[in-house]
Amino acid sequence: AQKVTQAQTEISVVEKEDVTLDCVYETRDTTYYLFWYKQPPSGELVFLIRRNSFDEQNEISGRYSWNFQKSTSSFNFTITASQVVDSAVYFCALSEATFSGGYNKLIFGAGTRLAVHP
Amino acid sequence: DSGVTQTPKHLITATGQRVTLRCSPRSGDLSVYWYQQSLDQGLQFLIQYYNGEERAKGNILERFSAQQFPDLHSELNLSSLELGDSALYFCASSDRGQGGTEAFFGQGTRLTVV
Repeated sequence: AQKVTQAQTEISVVEKEDVTLDCVYETRDTTYYLFWYKQPPSGELVFLIRRNSFDEQNEISGRYSWNFQKSTSSFNFTITASQVVDSAVYFCALSEATFSGGYNKLIFGAGTRLAVHP
Repeated sequence: DSGVTQTPKHLITATGQRVTLRCSPRSGDLSVYWYQQSLDQGLQFLIQYYNGEERAKGNILERFSAQQFPDLHSELNLSSLELGDSALYFCASSDRGQGGTEAFFGQGTRLTVV
């Protein structure tokens, strides 16, 4: 069965600190996709990144970076020099890749609430 | 703005009632998904439609139903509402129904059952 675990329920940091949000997943599929979404206090879910199971290259986008390691089934998210606007709940999600009549429901982790204080 | 529109944003209703949540996907997206976010269950997939056809079902209660219309908008119908149905209901859309396509979420409908 597919499962996503975000062990960190809440993280509190002071502005400009670096912070890493952990995500561990379980799947028996060889082809799958991993996602990160951000849910700010306003409530909407904002797509941040998608990574497929064949691409283990780390990705950097501004202050955000992602570390995908198949060997440990982890897809961790790091925010460098955090800012107050980064305060939100962050969700890691897993999707299988079924191409015959495919569908891609997302299996979400429980989320990590990040509070960045001035 | 994700381009996915959900109405209404807030809904307060009494137990036993029926409500309809509406979703307009991004222009050109054929696939619509419904998710429920509650404090105890987290974010859970309910159901997916692709170009008018039901494609996948998750933990959707029998009291809940959905459909996707020819213009691709979707409605989620919740009936015989219970207090435990209070949650944030999200609609998402993607351009294809195949695995790995990123889904863009609407702002959600917050349902409160009293």
